[in-house]
Amino acid sequence: NAGVMQNPRHLVRRRGQEARLRCSPMKGHSHVYWYRQLPEEGLKFMVYLQKENIIDESGMPKERFSAEFPKEGPSILRIQQVVRGDSAAYFCASSPSPGGGDGYTFGSGTRLTVV
Amino acid sequence: GQNIDQPTEMTATEGAIVQINCTYQTSGFNGLFWYQQHAGEAPTFLSYNVLDGLEEKGRFSSFLSRSKGYSYLLLKELQMKDSASYLCAVNRDNYGQNFVFGPGTRLSVLP
Repeated sequence: NAGVMQNPRHLVRRRGQEARLRCSPMKGHSHVYWYRQLPEEGLKFMVYLQKENIIDESGMPKERFSAEFPKEGPSILRIQQVVRGDSAAYFCASSPSPGGGDGYTFGSGTRLTVV
Repeated sequence: GQNIDQPTEMTATEGAIVQINCTYQTSGFNGLFWYQQHAGEAPTFLSYNVLDGLEEKGRFSSFLSRSKGYSYLLLKELQMKDSASYLCAVNRDNYGQNFVFGPGTRLSVLP
């Protein structure tokens, strides 16, 4: 079990381009969470998904950001028309069930740089 | 609103004991978690408290007082590899989709 896999590890985009971040949860985990971390700041919740369903997207910006977790394949966080302020580390986490004593397992993150 | 406070930075000496405090005010509480995060890496789970009291796990212990909205992480016999950020996180509800993270405490362990 390779854990939570995120790719790419580093992503550079020019302003106005699209960024696609991928997350494959741990085997047997059907709950996926996306967080954003700005330099020197804490992790900020963005969205919680189960297979084919968005459960909570209260932390997602209303425009340009979207997320999906299809029946087959990884979860995708998509940022359209990126701006410099989108530069951050984006972490994905998964769990076998909501909450629980072991918390989440995090991936190594994707560091997005918008130039 | 949701508020979790931690000291920004702490410094300690190898072999010593350090206590990292966390205070929280959240709408809902279903457990408090501590994570360790080395620079450029993923947060890794350290401990979980849902009832008042002390949980011990080797060199790491975590304490919770729900009435005071207070927790601490205690690290004993500090090692250089313990230099990292320590994140306090509150799970606000039973469904696990709403963790609120504190800003993290950056611990530097000096020789």
